[in-house]
Amino acid sequence: AQTVTQSQPEMSVQEAETVTLSCTYDTSENNYYLFWYKQPPSRQMILVIRQEAYKQQNATENRFSVNFQKAAKSFSLKISDSQLGDTAMYFCAFMNFGNEKLTFGTGTRLTIIP
Amino acid sequence: DAGVIQSPRHEVTEMGQEVTLRCKPISGHNSLFWYRQTMMRGLELLIYFNNNVPIDDSGMPEDRFSAKMPNASFSTLKIQPSEPRDSAVYFCASRRLANEQFFGPGTRLTVL
Repeated sequence: AQTVTQSQPEMSVQEAETVTLSCTYDTSENNYYLFWYKQPPSRQMILVIRQEAYKQQNATENRFSVNFQKAAKSFSLKISDSQLGDTAMYFCAFMNFGNEKLTFGTGTRLTIIP
Repeated sequence: DAGVIQSPRHEVTEMGQEVTLRCKPISGHNSLFWYRQTMMRGLELLIYFNNNVPIDDSGMPEDRFSAKMPNASFSTLKIQPSEPRDSAVYFCASRRLANEQFFGPGTRLTVL
């Protein structure tokens, strides 16, 4: 079974700074997807970024980027120029190619300090 | 697109009562998922459907829980009878083919 580990329960950073959230996963599969979801206080789950394991290039979405290290089974999220609206829970998630099920980590609560 | 729609947004009920949560997936999406989120257990997949057919219900905690998807635009999650430990936020999500899941706003259920 796949597992996803987020080792940082809470983090805080000053507005405009850069922060990196860690995620590691365990799988014996070679083809899979990785995701970062954001859950603000409104509790809506919002997709931030996705990465296909077969792609070597790290995914980027505006201020959000990932550092995908397949051999190390690591998938960290970097938020540049952090904004107050980035305050939220962030969940790392894994999905096998051809499988529908998402496995979530336990989340990291990120607070952006004005 | 309106996104995934869930109702009600909040539900407060008494132990022993039947609870029905509703979900309308995004039009054109062929997979639907029900999740439960609690502080203790995080996000758990309860059941998911492909083309209205239940594929994996191994996450359904007990026989008190049941889910249906009578057509491509509607699904229900029913708890009968409800218990205080069922209190949680229940999310519905939908997906088209191999793309990412899109989540609804959730239903916060409180069982007194």
